Amino acid sequence: DAGVIQSPRHEVTEMGQEVTLRCKPISGHNSLFWYRQTMMRGLELLIYFNNNVPIDDSGMPEDRFSAKMPNASFSTLKIQPSEPRDSAVYFCASSFSGEHQPQHFGDGTRLSIL
Amino acid sequence: QQQVKQSPQSLIVQKGGISIINCAYENTAFDYFPWYQQFPGKGPALLIAIRPDVSEKKEGRFTISFNKSAKQFSLHIMDSQPGDSATYFCAASRYGGATNKLIFGTGTLLAVQP
Repeated sequence: DAGVIQSPRHEVTEMGQEVTLRCKPISGHNSLFWYRQTMMRGLELLIYFNNNVPIDDSGMPEDRFSAKMPNASFSTLKIQPSEPRDSAVYFCASSFSGEHQPQHFGDGTRLSIL
Repeated sequence: QQQVKQSPQSLIVQKGGISIINCAYENTAFDYFPWYQQFPGKGPALLIAIRPDVSEKKEGRFTISFNKSAKQFSLHIMDSQPGDSATYFCAASRYGGATNKLIFGTGTLLAVQP
């Protein structure tokens, strides 16, 4: 079975540009999570969805960040405008909803903002 | 109160030795404690998890020890192998909002020397 698929794997862009990260969760999973990983702050949950509805976006750092889940098989995380401090690895994870279901992570998008 | 503190930051173990990684939490509402393993360029993958109603869980060479009164838990890797070299994250969660919001520790970089 295919795991969580993220694209692109690497993104290098200039400050001020719009960045869109994409995620395809595991088929049948109805919870989706976006994380950011940096050396300084570790793994941080940005936002999670359940049945395509955003449940908790308290981890989204500021209004420049937005996330959508238009259907059960696709989600995007957008940064507009991007800044150098947004450079990080962004992970998408999915799981079944319900108590303590394991989260399955994609291989991440390494984002560099110059 | 949402923090999970992890130590050590890095660990070097000889092949065949025991690797021990420790975590501590503050929020007594946490009721699920997973460990994730991450290889370079990959997303974290669930290794083993425990609930606070048991003091120990073993899966192969990996054991979680849990001390509810001290609010601490640890991962023991017996007979450590070079293939175990990776970054290990502890996490904690409390079920709510139809899913599980994981709070991750800062990670331990394990190197097993042949």
